[in-house]
Amino acid sequence: KNEVEQSPQNLTAQEGEFITINCSYSVGISALHWLQQHPGGGIVSLFMLSSGKKKHGRLIATINIQEKHSSLHITASHPRDSAVYICAVVTYTGNQFYFGTGTSLTVIP
Amino acid sequence: DGGITQSPKYLFRKEGQNVTLSCEQNLNHDAMYWYRQDPGQGLRLIYYSQIVNDFQKGDIAEGYSVSREKKESFPLTVTSAQKNPTAFYLCASSTGTGGVGYTFGSGTRLTVV
Repeated sequence: KNEVEQSPQNLTAQEGEFITINCSYSVGISALHWLQQHPGGGIVSLFMLSSGKKKHGRLIATINIQEKHSSLHITASHPRDSAVYICAVVTYTGNQFYFGTGTSLTVIP
Repeated sequence: DGGITQSPKYLFRKEGQNVTLSCEQNLNHDAMYWYRQDPGQGLRLIYYSQIVNDFQKGDIAEGYSVSREKKESFPLTVTSAQKNPTAFYLCASSTGTGGVGYTFGSGTRLTVV
């Protein structure tokens, strides 16, 4: 079973387009993370959310705790945004994370 | 700057050999983790440690071993008992509560031939 589901799996966009990646989860959580993984493999944390909405530059993350759903939006997408975006949740019961399988984004100039 | 250092970035080993992957952090984090990533799958937890000299098995611990003798170090040994060791391995650390300060290393890609 997958505690975290992401969609779409793959996404190709033209530069400048508005992008949305969705994440649904089935467990009770204390926080949700959006992570970015570039082709080299290293992962960076973009956002940690427990409620509401956060914005950083062109990236916006929202979470609806009642619906167990989060979205990551990228405005005015750029080729340098091309990466795999991973949704991860940490449960109430401990420090273990559950990870989605990731959304591979390619932004074409 | 504080962070997590994983070395080496790429590692090749012959089948049947044990290999140890290094993970060092200077963030003063209590908790450290090892994950494995395979194509098309989410990260899966191998082992985690919440305090020095203590560690717990994750979902896929078979064929792996770890130690936590120092707060800043959490090496992972991939033993010859691991059936499919070729994968991307990521180390992470956190302050230990609710995923706060969760930081990932840059990963080690292990290829067993």
